[in-house]
Amino acid sequence: DAGVIQSPRHEVTEMGQEVTLRCKPISGHDYLFWYRQTMMRGLELLIYFNNNVPIDDSGMPEDRFSAKMPNASFSTLKIQPSEPRDSAVYFCASSLGGFSGNTIYFGEGSWLTVV
Amino acid sequence: AQKITQTQPGMFVQEKEAVTLDCTYDTSDPSYGLFWYKQPSSGEMIFLIYQGSYDQQNATEGRYSLNFQKARKSANLVISASQLGDSAMYFCAMRAFYNQGGKLIFGQGTELSVKP
Repeated sequence: DAGVIQSPRHEVTEMGQEVTLRCKPISGHDYLFWYRQTMMRGLELLIYFNNNVPIDDSGMPEDRFSAKMPNASFSTLKIQPSEPRDSAVYFCASSLGGFSGNTIYFGEGSWLTVV
Repeated sequence: AQKITQTQPGMFVQEKEAVTLDCTYDTSDPSYGLFWYKQPSSGEMIFLIYQGSYDQQNATEGRYSLNFQKARKSANLVISASQLGDSAMYFCAMRAFYNQGGKLIFGQGTELSVKP
């Protein structure tokens, strides 16, 4: 089985540009999560979806960030306009829901650098 | 409030020795799951082991075991016979549905260094 697939793996962009990160969850999983990891803040949950519906976006830092899940096999996290403080590793993760023992599996991450 | 605390920012262990990484948690959920993930320097998050709050026995997976003490709200990871490849960041995490909505919350992590 393919794992969670993220693209791009690495992106360097200039401040003010739009950044789109993409994620394909594991087939059959009904929960999808976006996390951000930085040295200062550790792993932060930005937003998560259940059956393609956003459940909690309280971790999204500001209006420059938006996330969508148009179908069960695809999600995007968009930053517009990007700023240097957005530089981080962004992880997408997915799992089955309904039971606290269902493991959440992570993609390899998208390493974003905004200069 | 739901919270995971890892009080050891860094740990050293000699190769072939056992090491315990501490994790305490706080939750109001009646049922929850506790997880440990490993993050090597390459950056990926690797699932290691899971313990359910109602499990009677401590979880084990190869050289990993979870020392679960529910009354103390602790879920320490024990790595036996450490190997050089165990050098990595280790994160404790908790998932629950009743108050947490199914999301996974993480501790701050412990960086483990295995010395030859």
